[in-house]
Amino acid sequence: RKEVEQDPGPFNVPEGATVAFNCTYSNSASQSFFWYRQDCRKEPKLLMSVYSSGNEDGRFTAQLNRASQYMSLLIRDSKLSDSATYLCVVNLSNDYKLSFGAGTTVTVRA
Amino acid sequence: DAGVTQSPTHLIKTRGQQVTLRCSPKSGHDTVSWYQQALGQGPQFIFQYYEEEERQRGNFPDRFSGHQFPNYSSELNVNALLLGDSALYLCASSRRGVDEQFFGPGTRLTVL
Repeated sequence: RKEVEQDPGPFNVPEGATVAFNCTYSNSASQSFFWYRQDCRKEPKLLMSVYSSGNEDGRFTAQLNRASQYMSLLIRDSKLSDSATYLCVVNLSNDYKLSFGAGTTVTVRA
Repeated sequence: DAGVTQSPTHLIKTRGQQVTLRCSPKSGHDTVSWYQQALGQGPQFIFQYYEEEERQRGNFPDRFSGHQFPNYSSELNVNALLLGDSALYLCASSRRGVDEQFFGPGTRLTVL
């Protein structure tokens, strides 16, 4: 089993739609969780940290389910500029290493 | 406020050669991590440097080595290059005790 697994997509949605996708991770004791976005041939950029109670940042909502070792990201009112690959990131062993999923590709069309 | 910078942007080498990649962390950051990202994959952790010491290492062979300087900048060295070393090499900086890491634009290495 991969340490961090994501549905690769692609998710192809119209502008204004809501899109959601998931990630599972292998260590139930993990404490730190993030979503990064990566545009084509660019570096990953931190989108948001994910907290146990779930959190929102504008149109983005992250949820965490520790019991199921599962996290999700929801994007409301999608914009063309939301087209990117979204990387699920976990500090699996609570050390210094971040473990990345392979990414979920989202394309927002006009 | 400068972000994380990396040099060079692109590099082409042949098998067996050696390469050195450079990274300057974001202002106020003292920790540097290196990642390798192959096409279509997420970044894979190579190692992390803090206080000029390698603090943790991922599953990479000894051909991959690094260094951190007193000004917190860092180098990644790869010896005896293989075709499979072709990838985007990303440097990320962070502050001591903080998990959030901020990435530089990367160095795209092609090994022929």
